[in-house]
Amino acid sequence: EAQVTQNPRYLITVTGKKLTVTCSQNMNHEYMSWYRQDPGLGLRQIYYSMNVEVTDKGDVPEGYKVSRKEKRNFPLILESPSPNQTSLYFCASSLAAGTNTEAFFGQGTRLTVV
Amino acid sequence: SQQGEEDPQALSIQEGENATMNCSYKTSINNLQWYRQNSGRGLVHLILIRSNEREKHSGRLRVTLDTSKKSSSLLITASRAADTASYFCATDAWTGGGADGLTFGKGTHLIIQP
Repeated sequence: EAQVTQNPRYLITVTGKKLTVTCSQNMNHEYMSWYRQDPGLGLRQIYYSMNVEVTDKGDVPEGYKVSRKEKRNFPLILESPSPNQTSLYFCASSLAAGTNTEAFFGQGTRLTVV
Repeated sequence: SQQGEEDPQALSIQEGENATMNCSYKTSINNLQWYRQNSGRGLVHLILIRSNEREKHSGRLRVTLDTSKKSSSLLITASRAADTASYFCATDAWTGGGADGLTFGKGTHLIIQP
């Protein structure tokens, strides 16, 4: 089954404690991205990757890091989480950037930073 | 990056009625997509309409695109309780080097009353 898998689904952490949210896709997609979703603000792109070892900033990259060492994995790293990073996070993948192909989304990670 | 805007923000109708949601965007697009999000879960792709198409159907969904008005509409006919969800339009835009990734509006929250 084609899918994007995020882990964990729920996470409560304390300010400053480094964390990683994993994302894996089984569709051999080249393009992967991370979004955060906040009430009243919609979905905003954090980082994206066009291919292995190619990553770039989205609209709200501050406080986040990513890596793309393998095609299937695109982890999101919060080196020193802060309460303003409390949000619902989604990983997505697609064959290519833009709207030429559909994007597949993970089930989301609800992060709370206290 | 540009962003689509859905209208209305929220819509409540009776089961069996038709639901219409609108999306406006700011600059010329390559394609436009619609996604559905059930509460707190990942987005699911519904339909893609290309900039040279005016109308597209998929089951009970009908999407129109008016590039002169920079707007799109999503019509769900004969609504069902399972259609209760948030609906987002997603666009991209051609920049100097190529297509941007997806940018989303803030969504229309649709409630189908039994």
